[in-house]
Amino acid sequence: QSALTQPPSASGSPGQSVTISCTGTSSDVGGYNYVSWYQQHPGKAPKVMIYEVSKRPSGVPDRFSGSKSGNTASLTVSGLQAEDEADYYCSSYGGNNIPVAFGGGTRLTVL
Amino acid sequence: QVTLKESGPTLVKPTQTLTLTCTFSGISLNTSGVSVGWIRQPPGKALEWLGLIYWDDEKRYSPSLKSRLTITEDTSKNQVVLTMTNMDPVDTATYYCAHRLTARDYFDSWGQGTLVTVSS
Repeated sequence: QSALTQPPSASGSPGQSVTISCTGTSSDVGGYNYVSWYQQHPGKAPKVMIYEVSKRPSGVPDRFSGSKSGNTASLTVSGLQAEDEADYYCSSYGGNNIPVAFGGGTRLTVL
Repeated sequence: QVTLKESGPTLVKPTQTLTLTCTFSGISLNTSGVSVGWIRQPPGKALEWLGLIYWDDEKRYSPSLKSRLTITEDTSKNQVVLTMTNMDPVDTATYYCAHRLTARDYFDSWGQGTLVTVSS
C-alpha cells in the first residue's frame, strides 16, 4: 500500500483540463513544500514534470501545473493532448528518516 | 548531462541475494548535496522507494524493507550498489536508480531500469 493516495484513473477529452489529487499527511505532503510529480509512459522510466509543489523543469510544457492545500497536492494538465496519456505519480519528502514517499499512481486517459 | 544505468542479473532464485549496480556519469557522490536513490516497480504496479545514499555516505532505507537492503558506493568507479537479501517472487520488478539533489528533493534523472524476475 502506497504512502500517498491518488485516484487510480482520470480522463479528459483533448483540449480539456484534468486534475489529479495526491493526499498524504502532515508528516509528508502537508509538512513540506517538496512534492513532485512524475509522468511515466509504458515501458519508460518516470520523468519529473513538477517539483517543489509547483515548479516546472526546463522543457516541461506550461500546460502542467501543480498546487497544494493542506495535506493534498494536485497536478493539473490543461489543454489535454494525446501524448499526455500516461501514468502519473506524486512523491513527497517525508522527513529525514523517510525522505521519499510515492503515491499509488493515476492512469490518465485522453478520450 | 547526467546519465545512470542499472546492471545486474535478470533472473534470481527465491532466497538468493540480488546485487544491482548503478553506474552514473555527469554527477559525483563526492559533491555536497548529491544523492542516488533506488526505486522499483512490480509489473503493472506503482513505484516503490527502496533507499537513498547521500554524498556524505549517509543512507536511508524504506522501513518495510530496511532489514533486507544495503546500499554502498564506489566513488572511484562512479557506482552505487544495491543488495537485497532473501529474494521472493513478490520482489519481481523493474529496478531503477535515479539522481536526487538533497536541496530539491526530487529525482531529476533516472536510469532506464532493469527487470529482475524472481523464480525457481
